[in-house]
Amino acid sequence: KQEVTQIPAALSVPEGENLVLNCSFTDSAIYNLQWFRQDPGKGLTSLLLIQSSQREQTSGRLNASLDKSSGRSTLYIAASQPGDSATYLCAVGDTGRRALTFGSGTRLQVQP
Amino acid sequence: DAGVIQSPRHEVTEMGQEVTLRCKPISGHDYLFWYRQTMMRGLELLIYFNNNVPIDDSGMPEDRFSAKMPNASFSTLKIQPSEPRDSAVYFCASSPDYNEQFFGPGTRLTVL
Repeated sequence: KQEVTQIPAALSVPEGENLVLNCSFTDSAIYNLQWFRQDPGKGLTSLLLIQSSQREQTSGRLNASLDKSSGRSTLYIAASQPGDSATYLCAVGDTGRRALTFGSGTRLQVQP
Repeated sequence: DAGVIQSPRHEVTEMGQEVTLRCKPISGHDYLFWYRQTMMRGLELLIYFNNNVPIDDSGMPEDRFSAKMPNASFSTLKIQPSEPRDSAVYFCASSPDYNEQFFGPGTRLTVL
């Protein structure tokens, strides 16, 4: 059974810092990996989708990498802003069971 | 497109009552997923459909839960009878091809 772990569980940084969020998964037979953002009391917003054949994806100040063999993904946020404060969730899509397995998330607070 | 639509956004009910949650996926998406989010267990898949057919319902907690998709533009998740431990946020998501998933705003259910 796939298990997804996110470290750290919470992170507080001053505005302007570059930061890295980590995600690890136990079964490397994945179809894709998706990073989401969730604001308090809100739904999930898709940030980046990485196919299993890809190594990274970029969108604006966000860059996500995937190392399938080691079961790791990172989300890099450049020049963080207070508006980036949210919970970031990593989710893995398995090749067999076509649904996402989620990590528990990293709660990010960017201080102005 | 308006995105995935869920109703109601909030539901408060008493133990033993029947609860019906509704979802309208994005037009043209062939996959529909129901997830549940709790503090203790995070986000978990309940069931998903492909072309209106249930494919994997292994996440449905017990017989009190049932889901239907009578057509490509509508799905329901029913709980009968409801219990306090069913209190959670229920998300519906859709995907065009089992790739990137798009989530609705969720239904916050409270069972007293």
